[in-house]
Amino acid sequence: QVQLQESGPGLVRPSQTLSLTCTVSGGYINSSDYYWTWIRQHPEKGLEWIGYIFYTGSTYYNPSLKSPSTISLDTSKNQFSLKLRSVTAADTAVYYCATLGGGYFQLWGQGTLVTVSS
Amino acid sequence: EIVLTQSPATLSLSPGEGAAFSCRASQSVSDYLAWYQQIPGQAPRLLIYDTSNRATGVPARFSGSGSGTDFTLTISSLEPEDFAVYFCQQRANWPFTFGPGTKVHI
Repeated sequence: QVQLQESGPGLVRPSQTLSLTCTVSGGYINSSDYYWTWIRQHPEKGLEWIGYIFYTGSTYYNPSLKSPSTISLDTSKNQFSLKLRSVTAADTAVYYCATLGGGYFQLWGQGTLVTVSS
Repeated sequence: EIVLTQSPATLSLSPGEGAAFSCRASQSVSDYLAWYQQIPGQAPRLLIYDTSNRATGVPARFSGSGSGTDFTLTISSLEPEDFAVYFCQQRANWPFTFGPGTKVHI
């Protein structure tokens, strides 16, 4: 069973870059079984899909996001990463990595809270 | 993008009671709708996909129905572990979007 674990700083200054990593265990990130994806959840609010990366390197980003983002793969470490640039307080959220298959988010990491504050 | 609305926002019930709550889409999503359960402090868990298919390990007391723009998640008899927030999500159009959730509490 594939398991995912997010890691990264819990505090980011405004206008800086938020960087998170998802470590995949129990499976290979260069598998075609899943799209590797990031989702965030604002405090007491709903869920927002950030985007995905496929093992080929193809990506998709939610055009509704205000902060530009980049998702990348590191196959040597079986990890994928998220970078969100020029963050503001509105980017404060719990960030989840998850697998996307068949259009649905099947497996999730436990989530990591990132606060944007000076 | 497709906007999903859920009602009611909160539902107060007791163990053993049945529950039904709604997800409405701003345009047709065919049957491409899923439901997730989120227990406080945990990540969401996929319950139902493509309107009515239970994900692996999901008890039979959970069922989904609907099509087009109107969908319902039904829990036949609430167990203590079912008190949680339930989100719907559509995969008909990009970007995939979620509803704001229905909180089921005692």
